[in-house]
Amino acid sequence: QVQLQESGPGLVKPSQTLSLTCTVSGGSISSGGYYWSWIRQHPGKALEWIGYIYYSGSTYYSPSLKSRVTISVETSKNQFSLKLSSVTAADTAVYYCARENCSGLTCYLGYWGQGTLVTVSS
Amino acid sequence: EIVLTQSPATLSLSPGERATLSCRASQSVSRYLAWYQQKPGQAPRLLIYDASNRATGIPGRFSGSGSGTDFTLTISSLEPEDFAVYYCQQRSNWPSGTFGQGTKLEIK
Repeated sequence: QVQLQESGPGLVKPSQTLSLTCTVSGGSISSGGYYWSWIRQHPGKALEWIGYIYYSGSTYYSPSLKSRVTISVETSKNQFSLKLSSVTAADTAVYYCARENCSGLTCYLGYWGQGTLVTVSS
Repeated sequence: EIVLTQSPATLSLSPGERATLSCRASQSVSRYLAWYQQKPGQAPRLLIYDASNRATGIPGRFSGSGSGTDFTLTISSLEPEDFAVYYCQQRSNWPSGTFGQGTKLEIK
């Protein structure tokens, strides 16, 4: 059973960089056909897709966040990471990592981490 | 950007009743739409992918239908554990993966 676990600071100061890591267990991050994803959810609001990374390092980001987002992968540790720069209070949210299964044009987020709340405040 | 509009925002029903949730896309997404269930304090859980395929372990009372711009998630007979928020997500212009704003299914 694949499990994902987010980790990182729960409090970040405005203008700084938010950094989170997702550790994958029960499966290899280097397995083909999977895209390792970050999604966030503002308090009481809907889900917002942030971006994906493939084990090879290929990345895809939401156009609205692209200028501030970097997603990277460390296959030796079975981890992938999110960095979001120049944060403001509007970036306060629960951040989820997830595994997207893709087969042809069929894609879905099959496994999710439990989520971690990141608050941006001085 | 493809916009997904879910309706109603809140649906109040009793256990045993049938629930019908709608998701409308601003342009065709073919059948590349997924549904997720989220309970308070939990991560979302995949229910349906490709509009009508149930994910592994999902009870048969959950079904999805639709194509193009109009989609429906139906819960045939509500169980107490089904009261949650439901989100649709389009996969048509992958890798972009926009979500709808959610429908809250609450106990009447």
